[in-house]
Amino acid sequence: QITLKESGPTLVKPTQTLRLTCAFSGFSLTTNGVGVAWIRQPPGKALEWLALLYWDGDKRFSPSLRNRLTVNKGSSRNQVVLTMTDMDPADSGTYFCAHRPLGAFYFDFWGQGLQVTVSA
Amino acid sequence: DIQMTQSPSTLSASVGDRVIITCRASQSISSWLAWYQQKPGKAPKLLIYKASTLQSGVPSRFSGSGSGTHFTLTISSLQPDDCATYYCQQYETFSPCTFGPGTKVEIK
Repeated sequence: QITLKESGPTLVKPTQTLRLTCAFSGFSLTTNGVGVAWIRQPPGKALEWLALLYWDGDKRFSPSLRNRLTVNKGSSRNQVVLTMTDMDPADSGTYFCAHRPLGAFYFDFWGQGLQVTVSA
Repeated sequence: DIQMTQSPSTLSASVGDRVIITCRASQSISSWLAWYQQKPGKAPKLLIYKASTLQSGVPSRFSGSGSGTHFTLTISSLQPDDCATYYCQQYETFSPCTFGPGTKVEIK
């Protein structure tokens, strides 16, 4: 059974860097074709894809946020870490990590989400 | 980027009604479309991928159709548990994936 869970700060100040960790189980990020994505959702608004880390280390980013995002494997082999620099109140919302199955760019398993607020 | 639109933004229907949600892409995405259901305070749940393939465990009252730029999600007989917001997502190969703005389904 695939599970994912996001962790990190729930409150950050403007201009700070956000660092979120996705801890997952039930799959390996070394399996051919697999990926872990980050998606966010401002309060009351739609979903926005941010980044994807592939099993082979390849990475994809939202063009509008590319300059602010990094994604890497974590210190544990079952972790993925997202960092977003220069946080702004407009970046407040719920941040999800999700499993990308082999061969497609949709997301079949999601974490519960982590609500992040950007405020001084 | 490929832009996605959905209609209606909100719909209200009775239990047992047939419900249709439309999703349109700003350019052709072949069949690279997924549908998700999201309930308040919860993560989205994958319902359909590749426009019409039902995800394992999803009730058969949900179905998807379409290709190119025009897609639909149909709930054949609306149930109380179907109250949620529904999102489409395109994942055309050479474009960043994008989501639609969502359709909120309510029970009359």
